[in-house]
Amino acid sequence: GIQVEQSPPDLILQEGANSTLRCNFSDSVNNLQWFHQNPWGQLINLFYIPSGTKQNGRLSATTVATERYSLLYISSSQTTDSGVYFCAVGLDTGRRALTFGSGTRLQVQP
Amino acid sequence: NAGVTQTPKFQVLKTGQSMTLQCAQDMNHNSMYWYRQDPGMGLRLIYYSASEGTTDKGEVPNGYNVSRLNKREFSLRLESAAPSQTSVYFCASRRGQGANEKLFFGSGTQLSVL
Repeated sequence: GIQVEQSPPDLILQEGANSTLRCNFSDSVNNLQWFHQNPWGQLINLFYIPSGTKQNGRLSATTVATERYSLLYISSSQTTDSGVYFCAVGLDTGRRALTFGSGTRLQVQP
Repeated sequence: NAGVTQTPKFQVLKTGQSMTLQCAQDMNHNSMYWYRQDPGMGLRLIYYSASEGTTDKGEVPNGYNVSRLNKREFSLRLESAAPSQTSVYFCASRRGQGANEKLFFGSGTQLSVL
């Protein structure tokens, strides 16, 4: 199956700093999503981005499908950005099942 | 609008006991999923349901059964719990496919099997 590697595994930032999270995947995909899991365990969709660039407020994501990687940018980080960020990819057009990476744990300190 | 509701939030079982995790969504989605999350790992798919009455095995289906009796509800059953099934379980439903695709997750069930 598809392998998904995320880096870095852990990241500590001061409030206001910027960061870049990376997701590498081993095969072509037609589905790539970024999720945020907050410290209470709730999972929230951030982006559906199998290719191209999207922005939503302080967050943006870029996927270069031909080179099999995606980047999530967090600008002007806030303590509420803390949690685990997951990249998930898929190739099947029916179930749309996702293979998740092991995540990047982000801690934003005040 | 409650979204995806899972019950219970926490459960402790002894090895060999059985239980059913309940999941319901009120967004009229066809596709629903059960995932498990182990410490330090991403989510792994247990079962998928495309619609009422249909289910399909995911990556880690052994030891589990599912039931999709209607469009709203998708339950996960552990017939004889094992310590290896200690995990956090998430139910999800999917809206759309492609550009407007979005997964909605429940708040999770933390299960410990002793």
